[in-house]
Amino acid sequence: QVYLVQSGAEVRKPGSSVKVSCKASGGTFNSDAIAWVRQAPGQGLEWMGGIIPRYGTTNYAQKFQDRGTITADDSTYTAYMELSSLRSEDTAVYYCATGSRVTTGQYYFHHWGQGTLVTVSS
Amino acid sequence: DIVMTQSPDSLAVSLGERATINCKSSRSVLYSSNNKDHLTWYQQKPGQPPKLLIYWASNRESGVPDRFSGSGSGTDFTLTISNVQAEDVAVYYCQQYYSTPYTFGQGTKLEIK
Repeated sequence: QVYLVQSGAEVRKPGSSVKVSCKASGGTFNSDAIAWVRQAPGQGLEWMGGIIPRYGTTNYAQKFQDRGTITADDSTYTAYMELSSLRSEDTAVYYCATGSRVTTGQYYFHHWGQGTLVTVSS
Repeated sequence: DIVMTQSPDSLAVSLGERATINCKSSRSVLYSSNNKDHLTWYQQKPGQPPKLLIYWASNRESGVPDRFSGSGSGTDFTLTISNVQAEDVAVYYCQQYYSTPYTFGQGTKLEIK
């Protein structure tokens, strides 16, 4: 069983950046994919992107291609999501999730972190 | 990007009754190489992260009660909750993992009548 523990809530001003961490414990890390998904208040789930820690390969939804950076540290089993040029619309709960690779090379996501609330406000 | 559309947006059912949630993808999520539909269903309760219920469109995740079942193939999918219990009150999401970005449906809110 993999447990994902995320960093605590953050408050940022518009135009600044935020970096959220996600630490995996209790199981394999570097053979899985880590995805980041966000949820604005009262809204649905939005897939931001992901990383395969073993290879460092990343994939982003087009919306986050320019402002998002996903990284991972194999040695500490920790993944990070950094979002820059923050605006009020980025206020959301940010989740990490770990996924299993299937034979087609895609991933589905079993385990989720508890979420990190990022508030962007002047 | 593949667009996922759920219906209805919300529904209310009586305890012990059946709930049916539909999910339609803008193109097929069936991989010919393994003949599997790349679709998951999640349950999200207030203040909690999503919980995986179903993968491969119809396989129940370990520990998920058997009153939850998934069906469908290609572009049309259904999540059925038989004998709805009070603890099933939640928002349910479908997600495709056929191709990135792994898009979600907008969610369906289940309430008790």
